[in-house]
Amino acid sequence: ETGVTQTPRHLVMGMTNKKSLKCEQHLGHNAMYWYKQSAKKPLELMFVYSLEERVENNSVPSRFSPECPNSSHLFLHLHTLQPEDSALYLCASSQGVRQRWGELFFGEGSRLTVL
Amino acid sequence: DAKTTQPPSMDCAEGRAANLPCNHSTISGNEYVYWYRQIHSQGPQYIIHGLKNNETNEMASLIITEDRKSSTLILPHATLRDTAVYYCIVSLGGGGFKTIFGAGTRLFVKA
Repeated sequence: ETGVTQTPRHLVMGMTNKKSLKCEQHLGHNAMYWYKQSAKKPLELMFVYSLEERVENNSVPSRFSPECPNSSHLFLHLHTLQPEDSALYLCASSQGVRQRWGELFFGEGSRLTVL
Repeated sequence: DAKTTQPPSMDCAEGRAANLPCNHSTISGNEYVYWYRQIHSQGPQYIIHGLKNNETNEMASLIITEDRKSSTLILPHATLRDTAVYYCIVSLGGGGFKTIFGAGTRLFVKA
C-alpha cells in the first residue's frame, strides 16, 4: 500500500452537487493536511489537523468542509462549488509530534473540475 | 516565518550534477531547510532537510552555508526523471501550518 492514498483521482461535478474527497494514510502519522493547487499557482495550505483536531484554517470558503474522524482518515466535503475551485487537491500527512511536525508525505491528488 | 528565494527555472544536462540554489536570509536559528519536488501533476515528494550541517541521502545532498542564509540542493547525476519543480522551504519543525510552498525552481534535465 502506498503511504497516502487519495480517492477519487478525478472528479467532475456541477456547481449544485455535493461530493467528498477522501484521504487515507498508512504511515502512523498524527497530522494531516489539505492543499489546493490551481493551474500555474503554488500550493495553498487549506487545513491542518493534528490528532484529529483542526489547528489551522486558512480562510477557506465554507463551501469546503473538512472532516478528520481519526488520525488515518481525512475528508474534504464539497458543496456549491464555483468553476474557479477547479484544481488539484492534495492530501498530506506528517508525524505531527509537538514542535516537530516532520516532513510531509503527499498523496497523488484528486483533480477536481467544476462545471 | 522566513521566506525563500529561488530562480524560476534551470537547465541541466543528463548525467551532470544539478545544483539548485535557495536564499533564506531571514531564517531563524531553529528553522530547518526542507526540499521537496513535484513532478508534473503528481503530489510533491520530500527530498531532504537540514538545520546546520550538510546532509546527504540516497536522493540528494544539501549544502547549507555557515551563516545559514542560503543553501544548495545537489542532485549528483541528474536523469530525465529528475525534471520537476523543486521547492525550498524553511520551517520550524517541518510541517504544520508553517509549511508554505512558493513557486519553486522548474528544473529541466535535457538529454
